[in-house]
Amino acid sequence: DTEVTQTPKHLVMGMTNKKSLKCEQHMGHRAMYWYKQKAKKPPELMFVYSYEKLSINESVPSRFSPECPNSSLLNLHLHALQPEDSALYLCASSQDRAAVRNEQFFGPGTRLTVL
Amino acid sequence: AQTVTQSQPEMSVQEAETVTLSCTYDTSESDYYLFWYKQPPSRQMILVIRQEAYKQQNATENRFSVNFQKAAKSFSLKISDSQLGDAAMYFCAYWVEYGNKLVFGAGTILRVKS
Repeated sequence: DTEVTQTPKHLVMGMTNKKSLKCEQHMGHRAMYWYKQKAKKPPELMFVYSYEKLSINESVPSRFSPECPNSSLLNLHLHALQPEDSALYLCASSQDRAAVRNEQFFGPGTRLTVL
Repeated sequence: AQTVTQSQPEMSVQEAETVTLSCTYDTSESDYYLFWYKQPPSRQMILVIRQEAYKQQNATENRFSVNFQKAAKSFSLKISDSQLGDAAMYFCAYWVEYGNKLVFGAGTILRVKS
């Protein structure tokens, strides 16, 4: 199984809502990533978890809160978002963060719209 | 800081023809890895090909091959016998051995004409 799944596929939320994005992989990967991608732009790294510990936070606003409950799951909790946060949110995983094993497998993304 | 530059925002190719997408990067590291990722419209990003900097031989995956020029810091992707399914955004990306993240270029939109 070389698949990263993400739910939901689409999400529309108001600025006062609280919602969560979910990502799951069953490849035994120990590194998991959240990216934000605007249309026709490259993905921008938000967070990296390595062995279930947060290892990189790319100065992301606190209205985004990541969580890694176990080695297969990655969540992104959203609260009080702004319209400019509307984007495609991609999850990815890799065997670990060492370069030789860093082929990242991406999920299909969650298309988020903030009204 | 490492940077990746893709100078072609859009490219077009006729079906069955060959196209080359260019990528240059800037780094002071000697050990690193380079990747080409493909993102079709409304579909997920997949790895096309990877190249280890210490390997002189250019990587090849079926119709996809790279021209890796380490001294020139150039990493172009050649797609042979282009197919309609090759239409996508292509991202060049860089990962350094002791670095922390994958650095992406701006991307090149490839259109395939039938």
